[in-house]
Amino acid sequence: AQTVTQSQPEMSVQEAETVTLSCTYDTSESDYYLFWYKQPPSRQMILVIRQEAYKQQNATENRFSVNFQKAAKSFSLKISDSQLGDAAMYFCAYRSLQSGGGADGLTFGKGTHLIIQP
Amino acid sequence: GAGVSQTPSNKVTEKGKYVELRCDPISGHTALYWYRQSLGQGPEFLIYFQGTGAADDSGLPNDRFFAVRPEGSVSTLKIQRTERGDSAVYLCASSINRGSYNEQFFGPGTRLTVL
Repeated sequence: AQTVTQSQPEMSVQEAETVTLSCTYDTSESDYYLFWYKQPPSRQMILVIRQEAYKQQNATENRFSVNFQKAAKSFSLKISDSQLGDAAMYFCAYRSLQSGGGADGLTFGKGTHLIIQP
Repeated sequence: GAGVSQTPSNKVTEKGKYVELRCDPISGHTALYWYRQSLGQGPEFLIYFQGTGAADDSGLPNDRFFAVRPEGSVSTLKIQRTERGDSAVYLCASSINRGSYNEQFFGPGTRLTVL
């Protein structure tokens, strides 16, 4: 079974600064997908960015980018020019290409609470 | 268009009671997922439907939990003989199909409190 670890329960950053959220995972699979989801107080999970494991190029979505290190099984999220609206819980998630045995769902980490200081 | 909706938003019940939680996925989405999010944790997978059938129910914690999707659209998660440990936010998500790359769109969840 895969596991996802987010070692930072909480991070704080000044508005307009850059912050990096860490995520490591454990898997024996060679192909898979990785995601970062944002969960504001409204509880609704919102996809921030995704990465295919077979792609070496790091994904980028506007102010959000990832540093994907496949050999190290690391998948960190960098948020540039932090904005007050970025404040939320951030979850790293793993998706297998397999079926059954729970593989169809996302495997989430425990999350990082991001605080934006004005 | 409309996103994933879940009703009720909050549900308070007493230990031993039966509850039903409803999920309305995005129209046209064939894949539907249920997750449970306990306080301070990330969501945990419960069950996945492809169309009307439960393709993977390996995440259901025990036989008190059951889910249906009779017409391939709306799904209901049913919990019998509720226990205090069942208290959590229950999230539903849908995606266009099962494909691993496809984005799962989440609803706002139902917060279940068992007294």
